[in-house]
Amino acid sequence: AQSVTQLGSHVSVSEGALVLLRCNYSSSVPPYLFWYVQYPNQGLQLLLKYTTGATLVKGINGFEAEFKKSETSFHLTKPSAHMSDAAEYFCAVSLFGNEKLTFGTGTRLTIIP
Amino acid sequence: NAGVTQTPKFQVLKTGQSMTLQCAQDMNHNSMYWYRQDPGMGLRLIYYSASEGTTDKGEVPNGYNVSRLNKREFSLRLESAAPSQTSVYFCASSATTGSKYNEQFFGPGTRLTVL
Repeated sequence: AQSVTQLGSHVSVSEGALVLLRCNYSSSVPPYLFWYVQYPNQGLQLLLKYTTGATLVKGINGFEAEFKKSETSFHLTKPSAHMSDAAEYFCAVSLFGNEKLTFGTGTRLTIIP
Repeated sequence: NAGVTQTPKFQVLKTGQSMTLQCAQDMNHNSMYWYRQDPGMGLRLIYYSASEGTTDKGEVPNGYNVSRLNKREFSLRLESAAPSQTSVYFCASSATTGSKYNEQFFGPGTRLTVL
């Protein structure tokens, strides 16, 4: 079985500062990893995903994440925060051949003007 | 393309009442899912359907039933609503082949309150 841990249920950063949202996973086999974003009163939208190949994955809105097998991590970063990045972010894991996702508990990102 | 649509957007029920949440997708996806979202708990899978005519339990199936009516539609039914089922419900769908394999597309959600 797989699981996801997101460290920090709330993260605040100043506008223009680095955004770092942490995600660690456990999986008995190589995982597929995802980051989703949820804006207030909306559904979830895919930011980026890792399946195989290049471990640095670029997504929408300037976000990227790096798969580190040795650390079982898939942290999400953005060099410079924008007010429009304020949202809740979810890390998720699935296994090849199984479409079910297991989600972390989410991190709410607040941007300070 | 409308993507994934859900009805209703909001619903208030009394304890013991029943209702059906509707979901439809127009992306020709084989797999469909129902989740509930509660504060501090992320999304938890209620039921999923890998293809038309098949359904399987997820993490929190108790108190719910589902129907995969056809490839497009996947409904969630609460037979006797309880306050513990107050939540936001999301439907999602995904492709089983191709470049978007495993990417789940979500509907806008249904906010359900059970009094």
